[in-house]
Amino acid sequence: GNSVTQMEGPVTLSEEAFLTINCTYTATGYPSLFWYVQYPGEGLQLLLKATKADDKGSNKGFEATYRKETTSFHLEKGSVQVSDSAVYFCALLLSSGSARQLTFGSGTQLTVLP
Amino acid sequence: NAGVTQTPKFQVLKTGQSMTLQCAQDMNHEYMSWYRQDPGMGLRLIHYSVGAGITDQGEVPNGYNVSRSTTEDFPLRLLSAAPSQTSVYFCATRSRDSKFYGYTFGSGTRLTVV
Repeated sequence: GNSVTQMEGPVTLSEEAFLTINCTYTATGYPSLFWYVQYPGEGLQLLLKATKADDKGSNKGFEATYRKETTSFHLEKGSVQVSDSAVYFCALLLSSGSARQLTFGSGTQLTVLP
Repeated sequence: NAGVTQTPKFQVLKTGQSMTLQCAQDMNHEYMSWYRQDPGMGLRLIHYSVGAGITDQGEVPNGYNVSRSTTEDFPLRLLSAAPSQTSVYFCATRSRDSKFYGYTFGSGTRLTVV
């Protein structure tokens, strides 16, 4: 089956520190990969995406590269801010089949301290 | 421009009670889904629909019913609430023709079953 494994949290960093959240996946086929962010009390928002191998998704200073050889999609940011404190979810979506539903990782709680 | 609207935002039920969680969207999206979010488990798919009159089960369908009589609405029914159904529930929608498979999430319903 399809699955997503994220590094366990919580992660606590100081402002301006470098962030990496690891994500690996297992899929039958060629998935699209996503990072979603959930701020306190809100629903999920799409942060970035990559639809094929070697694609790099980027948004708001966050980046992730689709690595087919290592089945990974690690999230990185060079300098985090307090406002980045949230829960981050890695997810995959297969391109075949009519349903095309998202499969999520367990989420990683990030807290950035001033 | 409401997007995806979920009601209620909070609900407390007694074991054995039934209720309906509402999800409405104004984007004319064909795909609608219900997820539950539990600590350490990410989001798990309950039921989904690819269009009016068409529904199917996801990963954790037991104890829940859905119907899709219109494009706009996708209610989730709890038939006889159990404490194991205490969770945060999210509705998500997507256009079938979306090139980027971007899902839009509602802000969630926090349900407690006592």
